[in-house]
Amino acid sequence: AQKVTQAQTEISVVEKEDVTLDCVYETRDTTYYLFWYKQPPSGELVFLIRRNSFDEQNEISGRYSWNFQKSTSSFNFTITASQVVDSAVYFCALVVPGGFKTIFGAGTRLFVKA
Amino acid sequence: DTAVSQTPKYLVTQMGNDKSIKCEQNLGHDTMYWYKQDSKKFLKIMFSYNNKELIINETVPNRFSPKSPDKAHLNLHINSLELGDSAVYFCASSQDFLNTEAFFGQGTRLTVV
Repeated sequence: AQKVTQAQTEISVVEKEDVTLDCVYETRDTTYYLFWYKQPPSGELVFLIRRNSFDEQNEISGRYSWNFQKSTSSFNFTITASQVVDSAVYFCALVVPGGFKTIFGAGTRLFVKA
Repeated sequence: DTAVSQTPKYLVTQMGNDKSIKCEQNLGHDTMYWYKQDSKKFLKIMFSYNNKELIINETVPNRFSPKSPDKAHLNLHINSLELGDSAVYFCASSQDFLNTEAFFGQGTRLTVV
């Protein structure tokens, strides 16, 4: 069975702090995709990144970076120099090709205070 | 040009009513989905359709009936609405069953009173 665990329910930081959101996944499949989505207070789901299981390179996009480690089945997300606009719920998700669904973690609510 | 559009965005209705949520994608995708997000923000698959055929029905009460008239549309009809049906419902599509990336609609917030 596949599963995504986001152990941090809520995180509160002060603006300009760095923050890391943890994600641990479970699957027996060798081919899979991992995602991060942002859900701001307005409610839509905003795609942030997709990573396939064969690409363990870390990725940086502006203030966002992702650390994918197959050895620990983790796909952690770091926001550098956080801003108030980063306040949202962040979801880590797993897709197994042919599974016909996206499996979401429970989400981490991030509060960034000015 | 919204890729996946759902209507309505908000829906408030009384218990026992029947309501529908419409979803359309203009991406030419083969596969469409309905997800439910409950009050604790848990997002879970309800239905998956591939080329208009039902693939997944994830233990959803049969009061929920999806209908896919063509590959671009996947509507969700709910009979005899209950308080517990209050949630945000997301429609999504992916190019095919490999689902390497799903595109989500903006969500429909259903409130049953």
